[in-house]
Amino acid sequence: EDQVTQSPEALRLQEGESSSLNCSYTVSGLRGLFWYRQDPGKGPEFLFTLYSAGEEKEKERLKATLTKKESFLHITAPKPEDSATYLCAVPIDFQGAQKLVFGQGTRLTINP
Amino acid sequence: DADVTQTPRNRITKTGKRIMLECSQTKGHDRMYWYRQDPGLGLRLIYYSFDVKDINKGEISDGYSVSRQAQAKFSLSLESAIPNQTALYFCATSSGTSSSGYTFGSGTRLTVV
Repeated sequence: EDQVTQSPEALRLQEGESSSLNCSYTVSGLRGLFWYRQDPGKGPEFLFTLYSAGEEKEKERLKATLTKKESFLHITAPKPEDSATYLCAVPIDFQGAQKLVFGQGTRLTINP
Repeated sequence: DADVTQTPRNRITKTGKRIMLECSQTKGHDRMYWYRQDPGLGLRLIYYSFDVKDINKGEISDGYSVSRQAQAKFSLSLESAIPNQTALYFCATSSGTSSSGYTFGSGTRLTVV
C-alpha cells in the first residue's frame, strides 16, 4: 500500500537551533515529492517539488533533500516565524489519474 | 485577491441539514479538488474534477456531492450533515503538471451539531 509517514509529529526548537524533519514514503515509481507549509487556520502553501534521489531545493532557511526512500526538510537557524505544520505529499495512481497522498505533518514550534 | 477563495470560512450547522461549500479560483487551471482535514488523519480526497464535464469520487465521497459550475467554480455539498463530517475542508487547484503542486484555499471550518 502506498504510504507517506512523517516524523516527528511535533518538534519544539529554540530560535537558531537547526534540525531536520523526515518524510518516508512507500510508493512504486515516485513521480515527485512535494513539501508544503501550513499555518493555523490556513491552507497548505507549496514550498518545493523534488523528483529524483540526490536532488536538493532551498528557500531561505529551508532545504529539502530526497533519497530513494525518504525526504528531509532541513531547517537552519530557524526563527519564530518558521513555526508551522510542514506536510509532505506524493502523487499516486488513483482510478486512472493521480492524487496526492499527504503525510500527517510535523508541527514545528520555534521558541524565541 | 486570493488565488483560491472558499466560502464560508466558518459554518455551524445542525444534523440533517443540507449545506454547500463554495470554491472559486483565479489560476485558470482545469483541475480542482476537495479535501477534508482531520486531526491525526491528515488530508483526504473527497472529490476531484479535471474539467467542467469531468467529476470523480475520491477516497471518502460518501455523504458528499459536488458541482463544477464553470472552470473556476467547484462546490461541495453535504446532503444531510452528520456530526462526523465536522472537519476543516479545503479546495485546491492544479495545472496538471507535477512541478507546480496544488494551490489551496484558506479552508472552511465546518461544525455539525
